[in-house]
Amino acid sequence: RKEVEQDPGPFNVPEGATVAFNCTYSNSASQSFFWYRQDCRKEPKLLMSVYSSGNEDGRFTAQLNRASQYISLLIRDSKLSDSATYLCVLIRSNDYKLSFGAGTTVTVRA
Amino acid sequence: EAGVAQSPRYKIIEKRQSVAFWCNPISGHATLYWYQQILGQGPKLLIQFQNNGVVDDSQLPKDRFSAERLKGVDSTLKIQPAKLEDSAVYLCASSLAAREKLFFGSGTQLSVL
Repeated sequence: RKEVEQDPGPFNVPEGATVAFNCTYSNSASQSFFWYRQDCRKEPKLLMSVYSSGNEDGRFTAQLNRASQYISLLIRDSKLSDSATYLCVLIRSNDYKLSFGAGTTVTVRA
Repeated sequence: EAGVAQSPRYKIIEKRQSVAFWCNPISGHATLYWYQQILGQGPKLLIQFQNNGVVDDSQLPKDRFSAERLKGVDSTLKIQPAKLEDSAVYLCASSLAAREKLFFGSGTQLSVL
């Protein structure tokens, strides 16, 4: 089983819609979680950290479910500019090893 | 604040040739990473440095790939000889410490013909 798994999508949504997707992880020692955004042919850029209590940043909401071992990202009121691949990243607490998911592609259409 | 600098931006070589990539991390960042990203996949860690020491190089194909970070600042990644399957984007990233968020450079797109 891969350490980090994501639904590759693509999630095709109309402008203004809400889209949500998860990232599951297998190592319970995972401590830190992040969502990165990667545009086509660009480098990944940090979107937001994921805190235990859940956190929001504008239209983006991240949640952590330790019991079921997944994190989620919800995008409200989708914009065309939200079209990208969203990578989840986790860092293990025991050795600080960092693992990337393969990414979830979101396409927002007009 | 200056970001992670990488060069070259693009490189095209023939198989069996050698190639080198350069990375200058954000000032003060102790941890430096090299990733390989093949189209449609997530980044794959090649090597992680903590200052000038190697923390993890378990996925580095050591028969052809090498990397160094001699003074604990900038780093080079070399491939010799290159194979067709090495065609990918090579991303350098840095962080303040091993458990902190990463900041990426713009990457080097390598095409091996």
